[in-house]
Formats: sequence, structure tokens, C-alpha cells
Amino acid sequence: AQSVTQLDSQVPVFEEAPVELRCNYSSSVSVYLFWYVQYPNQGLQLLLKYLSGSTLVESINGFEAEFNKSQTSFHLRKPSVHISDTAEYFCAANRVGSQGNLIFGKGTKLSVKP
Amino acid sequence: DAGITQSPRHKVTETGTPVTLRCHQTENHRYMYWYRQDPGHGLRLIHYSYGVKDTDKGEVSDGYSVSRSKTEDFLLTLESATSSQTSVYFCAISESIGTGLIRAANYGYTFGSGTRLTVV
Repeated sequence: AQSVTQLDSQVPVFEEAPVELRCNYSSSVSVYLFWYVQYPNQGLQLLLKYLSGSTLVESINGFEAEFNKSQTSFHLRKPSVHISDTAEYFCAANRVGSQGNLIFGKGTKLSVKP
Repeated sequence: DAGITQSPRHKVTETGTPVTLRCHQTENHRYMYWYRQDPGHGLRLIHYSYGVKDTDKGEVSDGYSVSRSKTEDFLLTLESATSSQTSVYFCAISESIGTGLIRAANYGYTFGSGTRLTVV
């Protein structure tokens, strides 16, 4: 069965430092990959996605993620974080050609400290 | 989020009572989903719908039922609430673009703001 693993449940980091949130998926077939962000007391919002084409995808607020098929990874990175990036981040995947239901990782809480 | 609302936002109920949560969308999207979010488990799919009166089970469907009599409404019912169903429930919607193997989730979900349910 397909699964998504987020290796870190919590990531504390200082403001303006770089950050990487790790995500690995297990699947023997091609997948579509997503990162969602959840701010406190809110629903999830789509941050970025990989469907096909360039393996590096970017969001409008400076995050980027790179699809690495050989390592089955889709890590999320930002070169310099802000206090406002404090949130929980979820990696998700679904198998190409499947019903399309997303499988979510357990989430990584990013805490940005001043 | 704009176009999708969940009600109620908060509810406290007693063990053994029936509870219905409502998800309403104004986007005319075909696909609707119910997830529950619990610490350490992320989001887990309860049920989903791919059209009016077309529903299917997710990975944690036991103890839950759903109905979709109109495109805009997707109801989640706990027939007899238990303490293990204390959770935050999220509804999501998505649309399918294209035909064949292109599926809705490939273009991302839009989530509601959630319903916090406490069963005492």
C-alpha cells in the first residue's frame, strides 16, 4: 500500500535560518505529490504540488520542493524562514491513475523562533 | 475557506448520541471528502463522494456514514458517538480536470475550516 512518511514531527528553527522538512513516499508507480500547510485553528491550504515536468516546484511565499524519484522523496525547503511560517506542514501523495484520494503524512510542526 | 463551509464549528455531545456534521460548497465541485485529524495520525480519510448519491469508504469508515443528496452538501453522521470519535473533522472538495485517468486530487483539495467534535 502506498504511504507517506514525514521523518520529523517537530522542527524548531530560528528566524532567517534555512529549513528542510523531509517527506518520503513509498510507491511502485508514479505519483503526484503535494505539500499542504495548516496555520493554527485553520484548515489545510495547498502550498505546492508536483504533477509532471520540472522536478523543482515553488510556492509564492518562498518555499520550494524537489521531486527525487530515485530517492522517493519530496522534501520542502526554504532558505530563510519568517515567524509567520510557523505552522504544521503535511506532505501528501496519490498514485497516478488511482481514484485520486490523497494519502497524507502525519505532519511536521515548524516552529520559528525570534 | 471561500466556497466551502462546515457546520457546526464546535460541538460537544454525549456518548451514544447521533451526530451529523454538514459540509456545504458553492463551487459545484464533483468530489467531496471527509477527513479526521488526530495528533500523531495526520489526516485520515473517512468517506468520500464522487457525485450525487455516489459515495465510498475511506480508511477509517467504521462508525460513520455519509450522504450526498445534492451536489453542494455532504453530510457525515456518527450513528452512536463514542469517545474515540473525538477529533477535528475536515471536509474537502476538488474538481476533476480532463478525462480518463486524470483525477480530482491531482489538482489539489480545498479544505473547510473544520469541526471540533468532543464526545464525553
